Amino acid sequence: AQTVTQSQPEMSVQEAETVTLSCTYDTSESDYYLFWYKQPPSRQMILVIRQEAYKQQNATENRFSVNFQKAAKSFSLKISDSQLGDAAMYFCAYGYNFNKFYFGSGTKLNVKP
Amino acid sequence: AAGVIQSPRHLIKEKRETATLKCYPIPRHDTVYWYQQGPGQDPQFLISFYEKMQSDKGSIPDRFSAQQFSDYHSELNMSSLELGDSALYFCASSFTGGADTDTQYFGPGTRLTVL
Repeated sequence: AQTVTQSQPEMSVQEAETVTLSCTYDTSESDYYLFWYKQPPSRQMILVIRQEAYKQQNATENRFSVNFQKAAKSFSLKISDSQLGDAAMYFCAYGYNFNKFYFGSGTKLNVKP
Repeated sequence: AAGVIQSPRHLIKEKRETATLKCYPIPRHDTVYWYQQGPGQDPQFLISFYEKMQSDKGSIPDRFSAQQFSDYHSELNMSSLELGDSALYFCASSFTGGADTDTQYFGPGTRLTVL
């Protein structure tokens, strides 16, 4: 069965600094997708970044990038030049073949001015 | 760009009442998912539909039912509401034929409060 683990319940970063959120997962599939979603206080689920497992190149979206280690089943999110608006709950999610998502328990990111 | 629409955004019901949540997926999206998120928890999968047929079922109580209509919108019907049903209910949609394979786009959620 697929599982997703986020071992950092809460993290803090100084504005303009860099922070890395960790995520590990377990699966027996070879082609799957991994995602990071941001949930601000409004509780809207916002897609941050998407990684295709068959691609070795790490995905990037502006200040957001991932470190995808397929063999280690690790999928971390790096946020560069952190901004106050980045403060939110971040969920790692696993998806396969249009089935349901498996979510991690989330990491609450605080950004200090 | 068009997003997933959910209505109502907020709903207050008494115990044992019935509630209906509606979801309008992004145009051309053929798959709809429903999730329930309690306070401080990650979203829990309830049920999904592909091309108007139920495709998967999670930990959805028997008191809940859902369907997807010919125009692809979906409704989640909840009966005999309990205090524990108070949560944020998300609908998400995806398109099986697109480049963004397996990506689920979430609506703003319906916040259900059962008193």
